[in-house]
Amino acid sequence: QQPVQSPQAVILREGEDAVINCSSSKALYSVHWYRQKHGEAPVFLMILLKGGEQKGHEKISASFNEKKQQSSLYLTASQLSYSGTYFCGTVLMDSNYQLIWGAGTKLIIKP
Amino acid sequence: DGGITQSPKYLFRKEGQNVTLSCEQNLNHDAMYWYRQDPGQGLRLIYYSQIVNDFQKGDIAEGYSVSREKKESFPLTVTSAQKNPTAFYLCASSEYYQNYGYTFGSGTRLTVV
Repeated sequence: QQPVQSPQAVILREGEDAVINCSSSKALYSVHWYRQKHGEAPVFLMILLKGGEQKGHEKISASFNEKKQQSSLYLTASQLSYSGTYFCGTVLMDSNYQLIWGAGTKLIIKP
Repeated sequence: DGGITQSPKYLFRKEGQNVTLSCEQNLNHDAMYWYRQDPGQGLRLIYYSQIVNDFQKGDIAEGYSVSREKKESFPLTVTSAQKNPTAFYLCASSEYYQNYGYTFGSGTRLTVV
């Protein structure tokens, strides 16, 4: 039931792009994305709802493929501040709106 | 400004001792959650509450207890029955219908001494 995130970790140079994927084996109502920096709490980035549009702001955006039950997070022209662990969280259709967390993707940006 | 306040930031517990972690929110959110995070790991749900005076066990509730007497407050007690309590504890809140994201407190780092 836990969504599968890939890759588990990625190392980039500043200015490079990254894609993080989140997939579920069950029908999804929504997908959340969060970023957690070392020693800090997770911070909400965005939510994608079933039937909704692709979301994003500045150089971080995400898509939701309802047919495949997958979401992807796109980080364009990465900055040092993008480093951290990215978690997706999924809300299943016909559930009690409980968020199920992925295991996380560690993103390291080098200068 | 609205947000969630967790206290204390660091807590040390002796063997066999119960400790209580505080979580207060002024966002008027219905739902509140407690998570445990071990180093390099993801978030594991301990307890959650969607309404005052009601709460549900999460995936790892053994050795923990909670109360929800007020909408703003959701304290977590780590009891002596929790044999390995050293971890980072995170409290979060959200609107019930999940069309909005979770807001997290800054966390409490608990260490057994």
